[in-house]
Amino acid sequence: DTEVTQTPKHLVMGMTNKKSLKCEQHMGHRAMYWYKQKAKKPPELMFVYSYEKLSINESVPSRFSPECPNSSLLNLHLHALQPEDSALYLCASSQDPGMNTEAFFGQGTRLTVV
Amino acid sequence: EDQVTQSPEALRLQEGESSSLNCSYTVSGLRGLFWYRQDPGKGPEFLFTLYSAGEEKEKERLKATLTKKESFLHITAPKPEDSATYLCAVQAASGTYKYIFGTGTRLKVLA
Repeated sequence: DTEVTQTPKHLVMGMTNKKSLKCEQHMGHRAMYWYKQKAKKPPELMFVYSYEKLSINESVPSRFSPECPNSSLLNLHLHALQPEDSALYLCASSQDPGMNTEAFFGQGTRLTVV
Repeated sequence: EDQVTQSPEALRLQEGESSSLNCSYTVSGLRGLFWYRQDPGKGPEFLFTLYSAGEEKEKERLKATLTKKESFLHITAPKPEDSATYLCAVQAASGTYKYIFGTGTRLKVLA
């Protein structure tokens, strides 16, 4: 099973709302990632968690707040977003950050900020 | 700076017309090169991992190869269902856990 599950699939939120994106994997992977993807662009790394600790933050604005409650779950808390934050948000996981293995992606959350 | 470039940006093929997609990389030590397929509005689907020059992997109509500077994704006798964006990503030996993506090749196979 190489499944990464993201919820919700679609989300529309106002600029004053607070919402959360959720990601779950049961492959025993110890590295988890958040990517942002705009139309016709490649995925752009936002955050990396390694063994449930934040190891990379790609200078993401503080209106995006990641959380890794346990080794299977990854959340992205959203607050006071801007319309330009509308994008496909992708979660991924890989076996171990120290191993050169592939990452598996979820189907994404299509976020629209109005 | 680690960099990945894919070409062509877009490709239209007739069904059965074989071709190759290119992924050129400049990294400080390659730890792994990964090919993904992405359908519109979906997450990338993993295809292949390549680690060293000379390595080849095959799956159905797809074959990925690796040299010291580039990787090719060969598509043999494509079908319309092969239409997708193909992304190449690398992991560099710089000590971080990043997957660095190229901009992708949008493939359209016409029946």
